[in-house]
Amino acid sequence: NAGVMQNPRHLVRRRGQEARLRCSPMKGHSHVYWYRQLPEEGLKFMVYLQKENIIDESGMPKERFSAEFPKEGPSILRIQQVVRGDSAAYFCASSPRRGPYEQYFGPGTRLTVT
Amino acid sequence: QQQVKQSPQSLIVQKGGISIINCAYENTAFDYFPWYQQFPGKGPALLIAIRPDVSEKKEGRFTISFNKSAKQFSLHIMDSQPGDSATYFCAASNIGGSQGNLIFGKGTKLSVKP
Repeated sequence: NAGVMQNPRHLVRRRGQEARLRCSPMKGHSHVYWYRQLPEEGLKFMVYLQKENIIDESGMPKERFSAEFPKEGPSILRIQQVVRGDSAAYFCASSPRRGPYEQYFGPGTRLTVT
Repeated sequence: QQQVKQSPQSLIVQKGGISIINCAYENTAFDYFPWYQQFPGKGPALLIAIRPDVSEKKEGRFTISFNKSAKQFSLHIMDSQPGDSATYFCAASNIGGSQGNLIFGKGTKLSVKP
């Protein structure tokens, strides 16, 4: 059973470009949480999605950031018009149900904005 | 503001020694306290977790001690090994009142010297 997959693992974007981060949950998991980790910081919750629904986006910046989890395919975190402050590691965690118990994290996408 | 404070920021322990990492929280509604281990370039992995109805939980060399009145919990790693060298994060969640997102501490970088 493959674990949570994220791609790309590393992404370099110039200021003003768009970044698309993908997360494929574990088989049978229909819940996805996205977290952001700034250097020397802990992970901070961004958004929680179930298939085709955004359940909680309270941790996501109001502008430039969006997320989706379509019926088919991976969950996508999209950052428009990236700025240097967006440079961070972005992790997704998948779970078979709502709640903190069984969140399995992917290896992360390290975004660098130049 | 919901917050989890973790200390120390870094820790050096000799092989065979005891590693102790402490966390404190403010929100009394938190009722789930996991610890995650993260190796460089990898996503966090769940190590051990505790609910507030018990004061201690042990799994192998890893023990969580929980003090509800002081709103503190700690991770003890007995007989520390070089392979334990990693960053450790404490976290907290309010199972009933949230959608399951985790609130993380800033992390402790543990180095176990041979």
